[in-house]
Amino acid sequence: DAGVTQSPTHLIKTRGQQVTLRCSPKSGHDTVSWYQQALGQGPQFIFQYYEEEERQRGNFPDRFSGHQFPNYSSELNVNALLLGDSALYLCASNRLAGGSNEQFFGPGTRLTVL
Amino acid sequence: GDSVTQMEGPVTLSEEAFLTINCTYTATGYPSLFWYVQYPGEGLQLLLKATKADDKGSNKGFEATYRKETTSFHLEKGSVQVSDSAVYFCALIVAGGTSYGKLTFGQGTILTVHP
Repeated sequence: DAGVTQSPTHLIKTRGQQVTLRCSPKSGHDTVSWYQQALGQGPQFIFQYYEEEERQRGNFPDRFSGHQFPNYSSELNVNALLLGDSALYLCASNRLAGGSNEQFFGPGTRLTVL
Repeated sequence: GDSVTQMEGPVTLSEEAFLTINCTYTATGYPSLFWYVQYPGEGLQLLLKATKADDKGSNKGFEATYRKETTSFHLEKGSVQVSDSAVYFCALIVAGGTSYGKLTFGQGTILTVHP
């Protein structure tokens, strides 16, 4: 049973560029959440997708956007990258339809903005 | 809003020592509580959870009890091992109403265990 997978593992971009990160949820899960973890900090909630819609959003600017596909996989897009966007981006999934809020995390994508 | 506060770190212990990492929370509703562990270079792994007051979560020798009266969820282990060295995060989730359940994390506590 595959867990949550994310790609790419590492990414280096320059300021002003755009980036897309990808996530495949754990088998049987229908909800995907994205978190940003800056170095030495706890993860911060970006947004959550369920039934291909953004259901909840944290305190992040509109430069951060996402999408969920019919197969429940998800993308996180960040436009106009800033140095402060350098972080580990974590994807988590759970099965909301089953009433479970226990989230399983992927290994993360390490984004470095130069 | 919701928030989680963990004890100031880092924590350095000798093998077989007793571990306590303090965690307190504030929540707008009735939260479920979690401890996650992050090993170097990896994502988060769920260590244990508790969903209602007085529940005790346990896993791999770690324990934490949901104390509603003190809004706390302290992590304990009777005898730590070198392999327990990692970063530990306390977290809560409040679902219901307009919330579909976002995790709110503490700042993390770095644990280093020496042989």
